Order: sequence, then structure tokens, then C-alpha cells
Amino acid sequence: DVKVTQSSRYLVKRTGEKVFLECVQDMDHENMFWYRQDPGLGLRLIYFSYDVKMKEKGDIPEGYSVSREKKERFSLILESASTNQTSMYLCASSSASGSSYNSPLHFGNGTRLTVT
Amino acid sequence: DQQVKQNSPSLSVQEGRISILNCDYTNSMFDYFLWYKKYPAEGPTFLISISSIKDKNEDGRFTVFLNKSAKHLSLHIVPSQPGDSAVYFCAARPEGSTLGRLYFGRGTQLTVWP
Repeated sequence: DVKVTQSSRYLVKRTGEKVFLECVQDMDHENMFWYRQDPGLGLRLIYFSYDVKMKEKGDIPEGYSVSREKKERFSLILESASTNQTSMYLCASSSASGSSYNSPLHFGNGTRLTVT
Repeated sequence: DQQVKQNSPSLSVQEGRISILNCDYTNSMFDYFLWYKKYPAEGPTFLISISSIKDKNEDGRFTVFLNKSAKHLSLHIVPSQPGDSAVYFCAARPEGSTLGRLYFGRGTQLTVWP
């Protein structure tokens, strides 16, 4: 069974702090994603990565960066946290291989970040 | 611009009845569609999917219908159970994409009452 683990369930940070959200998957998936979920707005893609050291901007990358130094780990970085980044952050992974072409995204349980 | 739309933010259904959740999309290059279910304080979990070459896929109580000409899909849950109460997200993937990037709707909160 695929497991996507997010290191923190809840985080409270102050405005201006640098924040790191960590995500690890155990299925050797090539693709990894960071979404945020806000009421009424659904899931919005922040960044994704299809290989080690590769990254692509999603729909709302402003104020965020990412790091993928190892295949299993994908980190989301808030360079200077702001109150409008208070949200639920969801990490996901999927396989890109031919036999798993239709592999769905597998999500972690999310990190609820509050910026005060 | 929202490429996947769920126009009903909420749906309330009595236990045992049918729940029908709707989803519309604008991009004709989408070739694979998925439904996810999300409980509070948990990540979304995959529920059911359908390829654009089909018009129906069934898995137990869950059936997804795809109408390509109308760019519309729906999820039917029969019979509905209280444990089905959750937010349901419709998602779509562009044709030929191996990157796994999905476009999500805003979700529909389903409440099944006894």
C-alpha cells in the first residue's frame, strides 16, 4: 500500500518565519505534488516535481519554493510566511511508469498550517 | 480559470437513497477522470475513475458516468450511507500526460442523514 507521510499534522508559525513542510513517499514514485486546500476553493496546485532536482510551477507558486534532493522526499518551503498562507497543505505522489499510466494520486494526511 | 467545475457546493441525501454528484469540464484534451473522497483532517482518497473511451464505470455502490459531448460526468452512490458523508472532488488529467498532474474541482460536501 502506498504511503505518503507528511511530517507534521499541525503547525503554528509567525508572520515572516521560514517554514519547511516535509513529505516522504515509500513507493518509488517519480511524481510528487504539493497542493493547498481552502474552503470553497478546492485543491490548488502549488508545485510539482517529476524527477529528482526537477520542479515545475503549479497554479499558485508565489511565496513558495520546493526542494527535491531525493526521489522519496519533496519539501515545500514558505520563504517568509504570511497570514494568507494559513491553509491545509497536501502532499501527493504518483507513478509515471507505463504500467501505471492511470495511477491515481496518493495523498498524505495533510498539514494544517496556521500563520499568526 | 477553472477547467473542472463542481457547481454544487453541497448535497444532502437521506440514507438509502441515491446521491448524484455532478462535474463539468471545459478542456476537451482531458482523457481521464477521477473522483476523490475527503474526510475532515485526512487527505483525499481515490474513489473511482473513468477513461474517456468509456461512458460508464462501476465499482460496488459507486458508478461514474461520462458524457463527452456535454463535457459532463457524474458520480452515483446507491444506496447512500451515513459513512459516505464527505467532500467529493472531481479531477481530470490532460491527454498524454505522464506527469500525473490533475485538475480538481472545488468539491461537493455530501451529507447523508439517517
